[in-house]
Amino acid sequence: AQSVTQPDIHITVSEGASLELRCNYSYGATPYLFWYVQSPGQGLQLLLKYFSGDTLVQGIKGFEAEFKRSQSSFNLRKPSVHWSDAAEYFCAVGAGGNTPLVFGKGTRLSVIA
Amino acid sequence: EAEVAQSPRYKITEKSQAVAFWCDPISGHATLYWYRQILGQGPELLVQFQDESVVDDSQLPKDRFSAERLKGVDSTLKIQPAELGDSAMYLCASSLDVGEQYFGPGTRLTVT
Repeated sequence: AQSVTQPDIHITVSEGASLELRCNYSYGATPYLFWYVQSPGQGLQLLLKYFSGDTLVQGIKGFEAEFKRSQSSFNLRKPSVHWSDAAEYFCAVGAGGNTPLVFGKGTRLSVIA
Repeated sequence: EAEVAQSPRYKITEKSQAVAFWCDPISGHATLYWYRQILGQGPELLVQFQDESVVDDSQLPKDRFSAERLKGVDSTLKIQPAELGDSAMYLCASSLDVGEQYFGPGTRLTVT
């Protein structure tokens, strides 16, 4: 069975500082990996996805993520955080096609001045 | 840009009452999902449709929850009777065939 672990429940960073959110997955085959962002009371917006190919993927809003098969990780990064990045971030894994996604519990990001 | 529509956005109901949520997926998306997100958790699948057929409803509490997608387009999720533990965000998502799911804004349900 697939599973996703996001070890950090809450992270606080200063505006302008770099950010890394951790995600570890468990899946027997090649995973389809996603990062979504959710603002309070809103739905989920896709930041980026990895299906195959280059292990460093670029997404929207200046985010990137790196797939490391040996570590079963798909960490999300941003070089300089903006106050508007404060939100909940979810990592998800799927088996491809139209299979449902399995989500982690999320990491809440707070941004301070 | 096409979006997944959901209504209502917020719903407050009393325990033992019936509630219904509506979802209109992105046009042309054959696959539709209903997820439930409890506060502080990630979304969890309730039911998946391919066109009008249920593909996976193994996590749907069938004694009180029902879902339909009669014409393979929009969908309704119903709870009857609602219980306190049903308070959550109910998210609808749709996809084509490459695994990328697009989510609607959700319906926040509060059961009192």
